[in-house]
Amino acid sequence: DARVTQTPRHKVTEMGQEVTMRCQPILGHNTVFWYRQTMMQGLELLAYFRNRAPLDDSGMPKDRFSAEMPDATLATLKIQPSEPRDSAVYFCASTGGQGYNEQFFGPGTRLTVL
Amino acid sequence: GDSVTQMEGPVTLSEEAFLTINCTYTATGYPSLFWYVQYPGEGLQLLLKATKADDKGSNKGFEATYRKETTSFHLEKGSVQVSDSAVYFCALSENTGGFKTIFGAGTRLFVKA
Repeated sequence: DARVTQTPRHKVTEMGQEVTMRCQPILGHNTVFWYRQTMMQGLELLAYFRNRAPLDDSGMPKDRFSAEMPDATLATLKIQPSEPRDSAVYFCASTGGQGYNEQFFGPGTRLTVL
Repeated sequence: GDSVTQMEGPVTLSEEAFLTINCTYTATGYPSLFWYVQYPGEGLQLLLKATKADDKGSNKGFEATYRKETTSFHLEKGSVQVSDSAVYFCALSENTGGFKTIFGAGTRLFVKA
């Protein structure tokens, strides 16, 4: 069945390193979201795209985070340089915009920055 | 702006107990309302939804009714199981084509055998 996939599932890196997370939305979905989840802040919306164009990235720290959709089957979230406070689970979700706006979430990337 | 407020957890219940998780919302328009569930180590998944006032969403024994007059969408289940232990998120999405969803803070449920 159709699912959102994310890679890597786990990433451990050292402070200052670049981190790239990838997401493959469900085929045919035209809206992709990036979320960050931590115990302290809960679920935060970082950015989202419609038809590969960024619609809102106000939740993302601009100095170190960047999000792109090189094509309709790939979304990327990059952190450069990474910091320990970036440690979190990052989720990608997609929706096709049909019906009632249900979002389909990927399994997440658990990032640990030492 | 739009917002969702849900009861703080954790909620701890014994198996077969009755569950209520309260959720209220603030919205400028007529949103769709959702409950999502997150099991350990997984992403969120849709549990149930309601798209207009007085609609009742239901799935896996859970149900919630869209109450416009009280701006509420409380989640209920008559008899919980250990397998229901998870985090539950109430959410809304305005039906304006933007598809952005506002999530509540989540309520963790523990069910004891």
